[in-house]
Amino acid sequence: DAKTTQPNSMESNEEEPVHLPCNHSTISGTDYIHWYRQLPSQGPEYVIHGLTSNVNNRMASLAIAEDRKSSTLILHRATLRDAAVYYCILRRPTYNNNDMRFGAGTRLTVKP
Amino acid sequence: EAGVAQSPRYKIIEKRQSVAFWCNPISGHATLYWYQQILGQGPKLLIQFQNNGVVDDSQLPKDRFSAERLKGVDSTLKIQPAKLEDSAVYLCASSWDRISTDTQYFGPGTRLTVL
Repeated sequence: DAKTTQPNSMESNEEEPVHLPCNHSTISGTDYIHWYRQLPSQGPEYVIHGLTSNVNNRMASLAIAEDRKSSTLILHRATLRDAAVYYCILRRPTYNNNDMRFGAGTRLTVKP
Repeated sequence: EAGVAQSPRYKIIEKRQSVAFWCNPISGHATLYWYQQILGQGPKLLIQFQNNGVVDDSQLPKDRFSAERLKGVDSTLKIQPAKLEDSAVYLCASSWDRISTDTQYFGPGTRLTVL
């Protein structure tokens, strides 16, 4: 199974952009890249996902490298509420055996 | 839209005792997941249901863990007997279906402490 590598922790200042990196050098050509985040004392919540093209939604942007071996989650203006653990997850495009394998994620601290 | 409900939120038991957790998924969601999250780690999938059938229970310690989803809606996860290493947060999630682009919606979890 393809694995992801993320920094253990990152810090950001409030209202500044944050770039959270993820390396997935063994990604297969059809794996989707998903990002979830987990706020303190809550279950994970979906952030964004993509395949090849960059993606934007109301929460964040996802920039995917041309060779798909890495991706970056971009929070355009970090708020205190964005302090969480962010997980980068690869998911097979199949109906079966496509469970999400969470790593340890990146713990984002946002300073006021 | 109501989210995924779980109860209880907290449970403290002695080792070798039994415990059960309950999950009510989002209405209409066919797929239900149970995850175990040990402190400092990401969630680990224990079992996955599609309606009332088990799709994947390869990581469920079947000698002590069991789960069911009667009528394809609510689900119960049981541990009998509990061990110290079972101390963790147990998360329930649901999604419309099993396709890989479906969003999984997680409940708040049940924090289990085994003494």
